[in-house]
Amino acid sequence: AQSVTQLDSQVPVFEEAPVELRCNYSSSVSVYLFWYVQYPNQGLQLLLKYLSGSTLVKGINGFEAEFNKSQTSFHLRKPSVHISDTAEYFCAVSALEYGNKLVFGAGTILRVKS
Amino acid sequence: GAVVSQHPSRVICKSGTSVKIECRSLDFQATTMFWYRQFPKQSLMLMATSNEGSKATYEQGVEKDKFLINHASLTLSTLTVTSAHPEDSSFYICSAAPGQGPETQYFGPGTRLLVL
Repeated sequence: AQSVTQLDSQVPVFEEAPVELRCNYSSSVSVYLFWYVQYPNQGLQLLLKYLSGSTLVKGINGFEAEFNKSQTSFHLRKPSVHISDTAEYFCAVSALEYGNKLVFGAGTILRVKS
Repeated sequence: GAVVSQHPSRVICKSGTSVKIECRSLDFQATTMFWYRQFPKQSLMLMATSNEGSKATYEQGVEKDKFLINHASLTLSTLTVTSAHPEDSSFYICSAAPGQGPETQYFGPGTRLLVL
């Protein structure tokens, strides 16, 4: 079985400040990792993904994440946030052994304040 | 590319009626489509996985007779909520995957269902 933990339900941050959204996962097999963003009343948009290779993954909108196997983490970072980054962010894990089904974390609401 | 649409985007119905939600992959063929449900302020929960031309695989606790899934073509899957009740009110999101590998699932914009 797999699970994803997003410890922070909400993260308030001022505009142009850096932000880190935390994600830890649990799995008995090798995993693929994803970060998605959801704006109100919309579906999910992929920010970035880790399938293999370099552990530092760069995504859209200036976001990046680092896969740390020893700490089973995949934290999302952005050096300088904008008001438009206000949204809910979901970390997800999948594995070939489980049919590539996505298992989502509970989500973190990022609130960017001016 | 990789656009997934859902119709309708919002539906209000009376208790006891059935509602059909369509999920279409517009510019690619989807071997597999997934249906999720998202309750307010909660994460997405996978309901079922459907492969074109075969029966859907439902997750534990999801009633297959209540949530009918049909994946008749490589670009269309439908979810029918039969005899809907207020507790079925939720945000239903589909996703489509073009292959069997660890490709990214492409998500639709979601359908907001309100059962009165």
